[in-house]
Amino acid sequence: EAGVAQSPRYKIIEKRQSVAFWCNPISGHATLYWYQQILGQGPKLLIQFQNNGVVDDSQLPKDRFSAERLKGVDSTLKIQPAKLEDSAVYLCASSLVEYGELFFGEGSRLTVL
Amino acid sequence: TQLLEQSPQFLSIQEGENLTVYCNSSSVFSSLQWYRQEPGEGPVLLVTVVTGGEVKKLKRLTFQFGDARKDSSLHITAAQPGDTGLYLCAALPDSNYQLIWGAGTKLIIKP
Repeated sequence: EAGVAQSPRYKIIEKRQSVAFWCNPISGHATLYWYQQILGQGPKLLIQFQNNGVVDDSQLPKDRFSAERLKGVDSTLKIQPAKLEDSAVYLCASSLVEYGELFFGEGSRLTVL
Repeated sequence: TQLLEQSPQFLSIQEGENLTVYCNSSSVFSSLQWYRQEPGEGPVLLVTVVTGGEVKKLKRLTFQFGDARKDSSLHITAAQPGDTGLYLCAALPDSNYQLIWGAGTKLIIKP
């Protein structure tokens, strides 16, 4: 069974530029999560989807971050414009049932210069 | 604000030693999960505990959920270099279904 796929693995941009990350969850997993993990910290939930609907986006900085899951399968997370403090690993996870076992992708490491 | 505090933040020991790491809170949880994250990878689930006082074993790893379902511990016997990684706990509070995460314990096992 294929795992959670994320791309790109690494991205370096200048501040005020934009970036987009893509995630394809495990087939059949209705719940998809985007987390931000800053070095030395635990994951912080940015947004949670159930199929193509948003369940929780309370910690998403909506002035610069956006995410979509249009067909209830893959998802895109966008940052525009990026700030230095956005440097982090962006992890995508999926689960078969809400708050069941989370399966994570390898993450996308963003460096903002 | 519900918090999960993990301790110690960092632990470096020799191969063959035993260790215990902790995940504590003042909140009551309906379930608690332990994950291990290796450098450059996403976290991988080790175990889920749901019953107060529950003990689960995974080879040399022993997980315990506190009787009051507010805390948990992970004990590793005869640690090996392959146990190196960031150990994260994540829990689902009784009061709301929003998974919260600890900051992790970074474990290094030296050969």
